[in-house]
Amino acid sequence: NAGVTQTPKFRILKIGQSMTLQCTQDMNHNYMYWYRQDPGMGLKLIYYSVGAGITDKGEVPNGYNVSRSTTEDFPLRLELAAPSQTSVYFCASSPTAGGAFFGQGTRLTVV
Amino acid sequence: AQKITQTQPGMFVQEKEAVTLDCTYDTSDPSYGLFWYKQPSSGEMIFLIYQGSYDQQNATEGRYSLNFQKARKSANLVISASQLGDSAMYFCAMREGRYGNKLVFGAGTILRVKS
Repeated sequence: NAGVTQTPKFRILKIGQSMTLQCTQDMNHNYMYWYRQDPGMGLKLIYYSVGAGITDKGEVPNGYNVSRSTTEDFPLRLELAAPSQTSVYFCASSPTAGGAFFGQGTRLTVV
Repeated sequence: AQKITQTQPGMFVQEKEAVTLDCTYDTSDPSYGLFWYKQPSSGEMIFLIYQGSYDQQNATEGRYSLNFQKARKSANLVISASQLGDSAMYFCAMREGRYGNKLVFGAGTILRVKS
């Protein structure tokens, strides 16, 4: 019973590098989300998707891109990494109505 | 505009006592959902309880209950008989609209249970 799976769990990037955070869910949920959590803070919504082919910006989308080609997968792309993107990133999925289930998070450090 | 407000940055409670964590929200949509999540020091996000805006009864899940006061726009989490394992960060979250797509979070409250 995998739920929401994020990879990698940890990553160190150099300034200006790019990377993709992977997220996959096996619950056939329509909605998927990407959040970032800075130390001691709440979760800020980066992007979300209501189904394959449909994505929209959240509260803090700058510096990120997403795609949703399948129901299961919702990768988050960081282009030209900056120190301000050092954070813990959470992917989540939810049914049309109801609570969201979260992945274990990816701890990203940009140096 | 801040949609979810958690005014208690930190709380202490004695083991076996009850504790209330505050949450107020702001929305003009008549249909919305309210959620509470727990984040222990290990970092995972654990879903605790859900309250729909049209639900007549306050939600309960084991030792967790949600004190929903619609007119005051508050959705406080009550934890009864606190345990040491309840020490964690607690987040209130809201989703607007019956099939609302954005799930937004408050800043959180750190709860410490004392033995």
